[in-house]
Amino acid sequence: DTEVTQTPKHLVMGMTNKKSLKCEQHMGHRAMYWYKQKAKKPPELMFVYSYEKLSINESVPSRFSPECPNSSLLNLHLHALQPEDSALYLCASSQDWGTGGAAGYTFGSGTRLTVV
Amino acid sequence: TQLLEQSPQFLSIQEGENLTVYCNSSSVFSSLQWYRQEPGEGPVLLVTVVTGGEVKKLKRLTFQFGDARKDSSLHITAAQPGDTGLYLCAGAGDSSYKLIFGSGTRLLVRP
Repeated sequence: DTEVTQTPKHLVMGMTNKKSLKCEQHMGHRAMYWYKQKAKKPPELMFVYSYEKLSINESVPSRFSPECPNSSLLNLHLHALQPEDSALYLCASSQDWGTGGAAGYTFGSGTRLTVV
Repeated sequence: TQLLEQSPQFLSIQEGENLTVYCNSSSVFSSLQWYRQEPGEGPVLLVTVVTGGEVKKLKRLTFQFGDARKDSSLHITAAQPGDTGLYLCAGAGDSSYKLIFGSGTRLLVRP
């Protein structure tokens, strides 16, 4: 299995809702990432997990809460989002945090989130 | 802050033409990657270059890493409509493992 699977593919949520995005990989990768991508912009790093521990939080608002239950799963819990949070949310994984730059990242297809 | 600037931002060419996309920075990167992204999908890794001056070929695509590891280029020979997409360079710094994405080049190859 050489894929990163993200669910759901599309999500529409109200500003008072609580929802979760899910990401799964079975490549034995020990680093997992959340990126946010706005239309016509490059992906922006949000969080890095290395060996199931949060290594980097790029000053992301607390309405986004990441969780790594095990080495294959990564969740992003969403609560009280704003319309400007609407974007494509991408999950990625790499062999490990240190060598990810050399080995490359595997990205999922993303979740298209719309906040209304 | 490490920044990667790509040029051109947008390129529209006829099938069969050649093109080059540039990725430039004032910072040194330990490695540089190129991705292609189609609408509604995640980026797909094309190549990683790690050695200054390195050249890699992938069928009609040629990637080069600058000698000083601050810049890279992607050359496509005889472009095809299937090459259409957003091309992103991404670099990992010497002192930070964070992968920083370039501003992107949107390529349209017309039949």
